[in-house]
Amino acid sequence: GESVGLHLPTLSVQEGDNSIINCAYSNSASDYFIWYKQESGKGPQFIIDIRSNMDKRQGQRVTVLLNKTVKHLSLQIAATQPGDSAVYFCAGPWGGGYNKLIFGAGTRLAVHP
Amino acid sequence: GAVVSQHPSRVICKSGTSVKIECRSLDFQATTMFWYRQFPKKSLMLMATSNEGSKATYEQGVEKDKFLINHASLTLSTLTVTSAHPEDSSFYICSVSEEASSYNEQFFGPGTRLTVL
Repeated sequence: GESVGLHLPTLSVQEGDNSIINCAYSNSASDYFIWYKQESGKGPQFIIDIRSNMDKRQGQRVTVLLNKTVKHLSLQIAATQPGDSAVYFCAGPWGGGYNKLIFGAGTRLAVHP
Repeated sequence: GAVVSQHPSRVICKSGTSVKIECRSLDFQATTMFWYRQFPKKSLMLMATSNEGSKATYEQGVEKDKFLINHASLTLSTLTVTSAHPEDSSFYICSVSEEASSYNEQFFGPGTRLTVL
């Protein structure tokens, strides 16, 4: 079946370092992916998205890389700050339509001073 | 993006009672709304998809008679947990989407923490 999963459940980084959060997916037909950030007790917050016709997309301090060959995407956060501490989810479309997303298990990012 | 609110943000109820959670789209008309639940340290699990003016579509394993969803307007959807039990304690999150969008642009509410005693 389809799945979107994450390699690492937790990631600890020093403030100022770069963070890389990984995600693997199984449905090769998936054509749209989103990264969400969820702080404790809050709903997910959109970070960045990427479509399958792109390999890379950059935002403010964040970059998403998509490798369709190995069905892998990553979220890179530059100069990680304490405010980046949260759980990060990748999400992808449910096969057969654009109106459903499935979420990966999530990676907790802990930023230490 | 859209601004989505949920009410209440936190609710504690006794076992056997029913709880209604509201999801409002504040700045655009949401043709489609989604309801998710999230257990501690777990991912979001889609419960149902509701389209304005029609019956909700429930995911496999979600009891439609227990989790009543009403989407009577383009700005409001409600989730009622009927005869709540402790195992229903969870974080319930709604999201809204514009049907016209080609991709899954969903905007999430802040969530409602339900605790059933």
